[in-house]
Amino acid sequence: DAKTTQPNSMESNEEEPVHLPCNHSTISGTDYIHWYRQLPSQGPEYVIHGLTSNVNNRMASLAIAEDRKSSTLILHRATLRDAAVYYCILVSYNTDKLIFGTGTRLQVFP
Amino acid sequence: GAVVSQHPSRVICKSGTSVKIECRSLDFQATTMFWYRQFPKQSLMLMATSNEGSKATYEQGVEKDKFLINHASLTLSTLTVTSAHPEDSSFYICSARDGKDFQETQYFGPGTRLLVL
Repeated sequence: DAKTTQPNSMESNEEEPVHLPCNHSTISGTDYIHWYRQLPSQGPEYVIHGLTSNVNNRMASLAIAEDRKSSTLILHRATLRDAAVYYCILVSYNTDKLIFGTGTRLQVFP
Repeated sequence: GAVVSQHPSRVICKSGTSVKIECRSLDFQATTMFWYRQFPKQSLMLMATSNEGSKATYEQGVEKDKFLINHASLTLSTLTVTSAHPEDSSFYICSARDGKDFQETQYFGPGTRLLVL
């Protein structure tokens, strides 16, 4: 499985944008880029995913580099409820598995 | 959105007893469910993949005779921790894929916290 690399932690102030980076230099052409987040003492929650083009949904935006070797999850206005561990995961089209790395712990300050 | 429930949310048991954890997809049919384990301050570790009507596929290092998985219907999978010991104390989380969803998204349950005394 292709690996991802994320910073261990990041900090943000409330109502500011947050850019969470993810490197995946060994990504294959059929790997989707998925983002999940896990709030304290809860199961993970799907955030967004993409293949090649940038994606937007009600939770976040996903910016994918042209060479697909990196991506950035963008929270446009962080709230205290966005404090969580964010996981960037590559998912191959021919496997269901999610292999979680260590993720990025996002702290949001009022 | 799709909802996955787990029961119980937390359980305390004595060493040597067996504990069953249920995972249900409430508003969709899940042909595939997954079981994860998470120790404090660590990431989720995939234990096994459960397919409805067939045997589960276990990840390397996970004892299939200790962690029994049954996926008897399209909305229910169970994980039984047999002869539990204190080192099995952990946060167990299930997830499910909607059989109609081709986007590989997984929907996670809220988790079950197991404490073995």
